Amino acid sequence: DAGVTQSPTHLIKTRGQQVTLRCSPKSGHDTVSWYQQALGQGPQFIFQYYEEEERQRGNFPDRFSGHQFPNYSSELNVNALLLGDSALYLCASSLGVLNYNEQFFGPGTRLTVL
Amino acid sequence: AQKVTQAQTEISVVEKEDVTLDCVYETRDTTYYLFWYKQPPSGELVFLIRRNSFDEQNEISGRYSWNFQKSTSSFNFTITASQVVDSAVYFCALSEAVYSGGGADGLTFGKGTHLIIQP
Repeated sequence: DAGVTQSPTHLIKTRGQQVTLRCSPKSGHDTVSWYQQALGQGPQFIFQYYEEEERQRGNFPDRFSGHQFPNYSSELNVNALLLGDSALYLCASSLGVLNYNEQFFGPGTRLTVL
Repeated sequence: AQKVTQAQTEISVVEKEDVTLDCVYETRDTTYYLFWYKQPPSGELVFLIRRNSFDEQNEISGRYSWNFQKSTSSFNFTITASQVVDSAVYFCALSEAVYSGGGADGLTFGKGTHLIIQP
C-alpha cells in the first residue's frame, strides 16, 4: 500500500520563475492538503482540496494556487517566486474533509529559490 | 485565532532518561483536536496521537504518554526510557473547526521541539 508520494524531491529555481509540485495521496484517500515548512519552523497550512475544489485556505497570497485531479492527485503552483518561498513543501492526504481526520504526510519537496 | 506554542526549542538527554515535551495551545472553540507528530531527519511527518477537547483522559502507548489538561491549555508528551531512535523534531498541532469550509485553517502547528537522545 503506497503512502503519500511527492515529486520532485528537490528543486532549484530563480526569483520570478514559476514552479509546480506534485502529490499523489495514499491509496483510498480523497483529500489533499499542502503545507509550507520553512527551515526551523513548523508546517504552515496553505490550502486543502476535496472533490477537485479548494475547500480551505491559509494565509498565503494568490501566487500560490493548486489543483486536484479526478484521481485525487494534486498540484501546487507558485508563481513569481520570491527568496522567501524557499522551504520544504509537504503534502498530506486524508479520507474526507473533517479536520480531525488523521493526515498522512509525504516526504516533501525541498524548494530552493536563488 | 488558534495558536500552538512549544517553548522548548531543543532538548538533549542521555538514553534511558525520561523526557517531557511541552505544548500550550490557544483557541476560541470549545470543540477542537490536538495532535502530536514526529519528524525524523527524512522529513516525513509521522502521526503519533489525536485527542479531542472533550476527552481529558491521559493516554499511554508503550513508552509514550500524553497529558491533556484543559485548565492549563496544555497537551504534554512524555517519552519514558528514551532511545536513540526517538531523536527527531516533534510537533504539536491544533485543529479548530470540524468541517472544511468552517473557517478553520487546517492544522496549526507549533514550531517544534528538536529532541536529541545521546547514547
